[in-house]
Amino acid sequence: AQSVTQLDSQVPVFEEAPVELRCNYSSSVSVYLFWYVQYPNQGLQLLLKYLSGSTLVKGINGFEAEFNKSQTSFHLRKPSVHISDTAEYFCAVSDIGNTDKLIFGTGTRLQVFP
Amino acid sequence: NAGVTQTPKFRVLKTGQSMTLLCAQDMNHEYMYWYRQDPGMGLRLIHYSVGEGTTAKGEVPDGYNVSRLKKQNFLLGLESAAPSQTSVYFCASSYSVSTGENGYTFGSGTRLTVV
Repeated sequence: AQSVTQLDSQVPVFEEAPVELRCNYSSSVSVYLFWYVQYPNQGLQLLLKYLSGSTLVKGINGFEAEFNKSQTSFHLRKPSVHISDTAEYFCAVSDIGNTDKLIFGTGTRLQVFP
Repeated sequence: NAGVTQTPKFRVLKTGQSMTLLCAQDMNHEYMYWYRQDPGMGLRLIHYSVGEGTTAKGEVPDGYNVSRLKKQNFLLGLESAAPSQTSVYFCASSYSVSTGENGYTFGSGTRLTVV
């Protein structure tokens, strides 16, 4: 069965600094990968997804992620964060052959300070 | 479009009481899901449905039941609530994991407290 590990539960960073949120997955088959963002007291919304093709995926709000099959990673990056990026970020995985559900990581809380 | 609507938004139950959480979507999605979110544990799948009349167990199904009698509605029931079921519950829907342009569409959550 697939699983997702988000290595950092919290990431504090100053405004305009770069940030990387780490995600590693475990699966015996090929996967689809996703990043979701949850702002305070809201549901989750899709940031970006990797289905196939280019391993560098660009999403909303200036975020991007790179799929690395050999390292089974899908790290999320942003070159310059804003206060408004403060939120919880979830990585999720689905097996290509069993696409009826996503398995989520435990989340990383990004806190951006002025 | 309303998207995914969850009812109620907040509820306090006493141990042993029962309740039903309602999820309604107006996007004609085939797939619907119930997750619970707890601090430090992320989202855990309770039950899901791949179409009207179907349900399947997720990671943490014990103590919950579900029904999908109509395509647009997915109900989550707690027959005898326990304090361990205090959580934020999220409903989500999708065409499928890969073909939906927006992935899952989530509701805004139901905050349930069992005392």
